[in-house]
Amino acid sequence: QKEVEQNSGPLSVPEGAIASLNCTYSDRVSQSFFWYRQYSGKSPELIMSIYSNGDKEDGRFTAQLNKASQYVSLLIRDSQPSDSATYLCAASRGNFNKFYFGSGTKLNVKP
Amino acid sequence: GAVVSQHPSRVICKSGTSVKIECRSLDFQATTMFWYRQFPKQSLMLMATSNEGSKATYEQGVEKDKFLINHASLTLSTLTVTSAHPEDSSFYICSARVRGAQETQYFGPGTRLLVL
Repeated sequence: QKEVEQNSGPLSVPEGAIASLNCTYSDRVSQSFFWYRQYSGKSPELIMSIYSNGDKEDGRFTAQLNKASQYVSLLIRDSQPSDSATYLCAASRGNFNKFYFGSGTKLNVKP
Repeated sequence: GAVVSQHPSRVICKSGTSVKIECRSLDFQATTMFWYRQFPKQSLMLMATSNEGSKATYEQGVEKDKFLINHASLTLSTLTVTSAHPEDSSFYICSARVRGAQETQYFGPGTRLLVL
Protein backbone atom coordinates (compact mmCIF):
# COMPACT_ATOMS: atom_id res chain seq x y z
CA GLN A 1 0.00 0.00 0.00
CA LYS A 2 1.35 3.41 -0.95
CA GLU A 3 1.80 6.01 1.76
CA VAL A 4 -0.21 8.58 -0.16
CA GLU A 5 -2.75 7.75 -2.84
CA GLN A 6 -4.41 9.94 -5.42
CA ASN A 7 -6.62 9.28 -8.39
CA SER A 8 -4.48 9.95 -11.45
CA GLY A 9 -7.36 11.49 -13.39
CA PRO A 10 -7.62 13.33 -15.63
CA LEU A 11 -10.29 15.32 -13.85
CA SER A 12 -12.06 17.61 -16.28
CA VAL A 13 -14.13 20.57 -15.13
CA PRO A 14 -15.55 23.53 -17.04
CA GLU A 15 -14.17 26.98 -16.44
CA GLY A 16 -15.78 28.62 -13.41
CA ALA A 17 -16.68 25.32 -11.74
CA ILE A 18 -15.33 23.91 -8.50
CA ALA A 19 -12.58 21.33 -8.88
CA SER A 20 -12.33 18.80 -6.06
CA LEU A 21 -9.11 16.84 -5.63
CA ASN A 22 -8.78 14.05 -3.09
CA CYS A 23 -5.95 12.25 -1.39
CA THR A 24 -5.76 9.49 1.21
CA TYR A 25 -2.83 8.53 3.37
CA SER A 26 -2.06 5.31 5.18
CA ASP A 27 0.11 6.37 8.13
CA ARG A 28 -1.87 7.67 11.09
CA VAL A 29 1.33 9.23 12.41
CA SER A 30 1.31 11.75 9.54
CA GLN A 31 0.95 15.25 10.91
CA SER A 32 1.56 17.68 8.06
CA PHE A 33 -0.06 17.75 4.65
CA PHE A 34 0.68 19.70 1.52
CA TRP A 35 -0.71 20.37 -1.93
CA TYR A 36 1.66 21.16 -4.77
CA ARG A 37 0.84 22.16 -8.33
CA GLN A 38 3.09 20.99 -11.15
CA TYR A 39 2.82 22.29 -14.68
CA SER A 40 4.14 20.09 -17.45
CA GLY A 41 7.92 20.30 -17.63
CA LYS A 42 8.19 22.38 -14.46
CA SER A 43 8.96 21.60 -10.84
CA PRO A 44 6.25 21.48 -8.13
CA GLU A 45 5.02 24.70 -6.58
CA LEU A 46 3.57 24.81 -3.07
CA ILE A 47 -0.09 25.83 -2.97
CA MET A 48 -1.28 25.00 0.51
CA SER A 49 -0.20 23.35 3.70
CA ILE A 50 -2.54 22.09 6.41
CA TYR A 51 -1.76 20.71 9.81
CA SER A 52 -5.05 20.64 11.74
CA ASN A 53 -8.41 19.01 11.14
CA GLY A 54 -10.88 21.17 9.30
CA ASP A 55 -10.70 23.65 6.46
CA LYS A 56 -8.05 26.14 5.50
CA GLU A 57 -8.80 28.75 2.88
CA ASP A 58 -6.41 30.79 0.76
CA GLY A 59 -7.97 32.75 -2.06
CA ARG A 60 -9.70 30.34 -4.45
CA PHE A 61 -8.13 27.33 -2.73
CA THR A 62 -9.49 25.43 0.26
CA ALA A 63 -7.67 22.52 1.82
CA GLN A 64 -9.61 20.10 3.99
CA LEU A 65 -8.11 17.61 6.43
CA ASN A 66 -9.87 14.76 8.17
CA LYS A 67 -7.40 12.80 10.26
CA ALA A 68 -9.99 10.30 11.50
CA SER A 69 -10.73 9.26 7.92
CA GLN A 70 -7.16 9.88 6.77
CA TYR A 71 -7.97 12.04 3.80
CA VAL A 72 -7.00 15.43 2.53
CA SER A 73 -8.75 17.33 -0.19
CA LEU A 74 -8.21 20.48 -2.21
CA LEU A 75 -11.06 22.54 -3.59
CA ILE A 76 -10.43 25.06 -6.32
CA ARG A 77 -13.27 27.55 -6.74
CA ASP A 78 -13.91 29.43 -9.99
CA SER A 79 -11.52 27.13 -11.85
CA GLN A 80 -9.52 28.75 -14.61
CA PRO A 81 -7.77 27.18 -17.61
CA SER A 82 -4.50 28.27 -15.98
CA ASP A 83 -5.27 25.87 -13.14
CA SER A 84 -4.80 22.96 -15.54
CA ALA A 85 -1.87 21.05 -14.09
CA THR A 86 -1.00 18.00 -12.05
CA TYR A 87 -1.73 18.37 -8.34
CA LEU A 88 0.47 16.49 -5.91
CA CYS A 89 -0.56 15.64 -2.38
CA ALA A 90 2.18 15.10 0.22
CA ALA A 91 2.25 13.94 3.83
CA SER A 92 4.92 14.19 6.45
CA ARG A 93 5.25 12.55 9.83
CA GLY A 94 6.56 15.75 11.27
CA ASN A 95 9.80 15.95 13.21
CA PHE A 96 11.34 17.11 9.92
CA ASN A 97 11.02 13.73 8.28
CA LYS A 98 10.78 13.25 4.54
CA PHE A 99 7.63 13.95 2.60
CA TYR A 100 5.63 11.19 0.98
CA PHE A 101 4.14 12.24 -2.34
CA GLY A 102 1.15 10.85 -4.16
CA SER A 103 1.41 10.18 -7.87
CA GLY A 104 -0.64 13.28 -8.66
CA THR A 105 -4.02 14.08 -10.17
CA LYS A 106 -4.13 15.72 -13.57
CA LEU A 107 -6.69 18.52 -13.75
CA ASN A 108 -8.03 19.90 -17.01
CA VAL A 109 -10.09 23.08 -16.87
CA LYS A 110 -11.92 23.55 -20.14
CA PRO A 111 -12.68 27.08 -21.38
CA GLY B 1 7.78 31.61 -0.17
CA ALA B 2 11.40 30.59 0.11
CA VAL B 3 13.50 30.60 -3.07
CA VAL B 4 15.53 27.61 -4.20
CA SER B 5 17.69 27.74 -7.31
CA GLN B 6 19.26 25.00 -9.38
CA HIS B 7 22.08 25.09 -11.87
CA PRO B 8 22.25 24.16 -14.64
CA SER B 9 18.66 24.11 -15.85
CA ARG B 10 19.54 21.83 -18.74
CA VAL B 11 22.55 19.71 -19.50
CA ILE B 12 23.45 17.39 -22.33
CA CYS B 13 26.41 15.11 -21.86
CA LYS B 14 28.05 12.10 -23.41
CA SER B 15 27.68 8.66 -21.92
CA GLY B 16 30.39 7.95 -19.36
CA THR B 17 30.90 11.52 -18.23
CA SER B 18 29.97 12.99 -14.85
CA VAL B 19 27.52 15.81 -14.31
CA LYS B 20 27.24 18.05 -11.25
CA ILE B 21 23.99 19.77 -10.34
CA GLU B 22 23.88 22.54 -7.74
CA CYS B 23 20.98 23.37 -5.48
CA ARG B 24 20.99 26.60 -3.49
CA SER B 25 18.67 28.12 -0.95
CA LEU B 26 18.80 31.83 -1.74
CA ASP B 27 17.14 33.55 1.19
CA PHE B 28 17.25 31.03 3.99
CA GLN B 29 19.43 28.36 5.52
CA ALA B 30 18.51 24.80 4.67
CA THR B 31 19.86 22.18 7.01
CA THR B 32 18.10 19.55 4.93
CA MET B 33 17.70 19.28 1.18
CA PHE B 34 16.11 16.53 -0.84
CA TRP B 35 16.93 15.23 -4.30
CA TYR B 36 14.19 13.84 -6.50
CA ARG B 37 14.07 12.36 -9.95
CA GLN B 38 11.09 12.42 -12.25
CA PHE B 39 10.73 10.51 -15.50
CA PRO B 40 8.22 11.72 -18.12
CA LYS B 41 4.60 11.33 -17.02
CA GLN B 42 5.66 9.71 -13.76
CA SER B 43 5.55 10.90 -10.19
CA LEU B 44 8.39 12.32 -8.12
CA MET B 45 10.82 9.75 -6.80
CA LEU B 46 12.86 10.67 -3.76
CA MET B 47 16.48 9.72 -4.30
CA ALA B 48 18.16 10.94 -1.14
CA THR B 49 18.02 13.26 1.83
CA SER B 50 20.97 15.59 2.19
CA ASN B 51 21.86 16.92 5.62
CA GLU B 52 24.39 19.69 6.08
CA GLY B 53 27.68 18.41 7.42
CA SER B 54 26.79 14.73 7.31
CA LYS B 55 26.38 11.91 4.84
CA ALA B 56 23.30 11.76 2.69
CA THR B 57 20.62 9.17 3.33
CA TYR B 58 19.76 7.31 0.15
CA GLU B 59 16.45 5.67 -0.65
CA GLN B 60 16.30 1.99 -1.38
CA GLY B 61 17.50 1.17 -4.87
CA VAL B 62 19.48 4.39 -5.36
CA GLU B 63 23.19 3.78 -5.81
CA LYS B 64 25.15 6.09 -3.53
CA ASP B 65 28.36 5.62 -5.52
CA LYS B 66 26.64 6.69 -8.71
CA PHE B 67 24.71 9.64 -7.28
CA LEU B 68 27.15 11.53 -5.09
CA ILE B 69 25.61 14.11 -2.80
CA ASN B 70 27.49 16.78 -0.92
CA HIS B 71 25.90 19.29 1.43
CA ALA B 72 28.88 21.40 2.36
CA SER B 73 27.07 24.48 3.59
CA LEU B 74 23.68 25.58 4.84
CA THR B 75 22.80 27.00 1.44
CA LEU B 76 24.32 24.55 -1.04
CA SER B 77 23.86 20.90 -1.89
CA THR B 78 25.28 19.22 -4.98
CA LEU B 79 24.32 16.06 -6.81
CA THR B 80 26.90 14.47 -9.07
CA VAL B 81 25.77 11.81 -11.51
CA THR B 82 28.89 9.79 -12.13
CA SER B 83 29.54 7.84 -15.31
CA ALA B 84 26.18 8.89 -16.69
CA HIS B 85 24.29 6.59 -19.04
CA PRO B 86 21.27 7.25 -21.27
CA GLU B 87 18.95 5.66 -18.68
CA ASP B 88 20.00 8.41 -16.25
CA SER B 89 18.33 10.97 -18.51
CA SER B 90 15.62 12.50 -16.37
CA PHE B 91 14.37 15.62 -14.61
CA TYR B 92 16.30 16.12 -11.38
CA ILE B 93 14.68 18.36 -8.78
CA CYS B 94 15.99 19.46 -5.43
CA SER B 95 13.98 20.83 -2.55
CA ALA B 96 14.88 22.51 0.69
CA ARG B 97 13.12 22.17 3.97
CA VAL B 98 12.29 25.34 5.79
CA ARG B 99 12.26 25.09 9.52
CA GLY B 100 9.99 27.23 11.56
CA ALA B 101 6.83 26.99 13.53
CA GLN B 102 5.55 24.63 10.87
CA GLU B 103 7.80 22.93 8.40
CA THR B 104 7.42 22.95 4.69
CA GLN B 105 9.45 22.13 1.61
CA TYR B 106 10.18 24.31 -1.44
CA PHE B 107 11.36 23.03 -4.78
CA GLY B 108 14.02 24.29 -7.11
CA PRO B 109 13.17 24.73 -10.81
CA GLY B 110 14.75 21.40 -11.75
CA THR B 111 17.56 20.26 -14.04
CA ARG B 112 16.81 18.36 -17.20
CA LEU B 113 19.61 15.90 -17.95
CA LEU B 114 20.01 14.25 -21.32
CA VAL B 115 22.75 11.64 -21.69
CA LEU B 116 23.63 10.77 -25.27
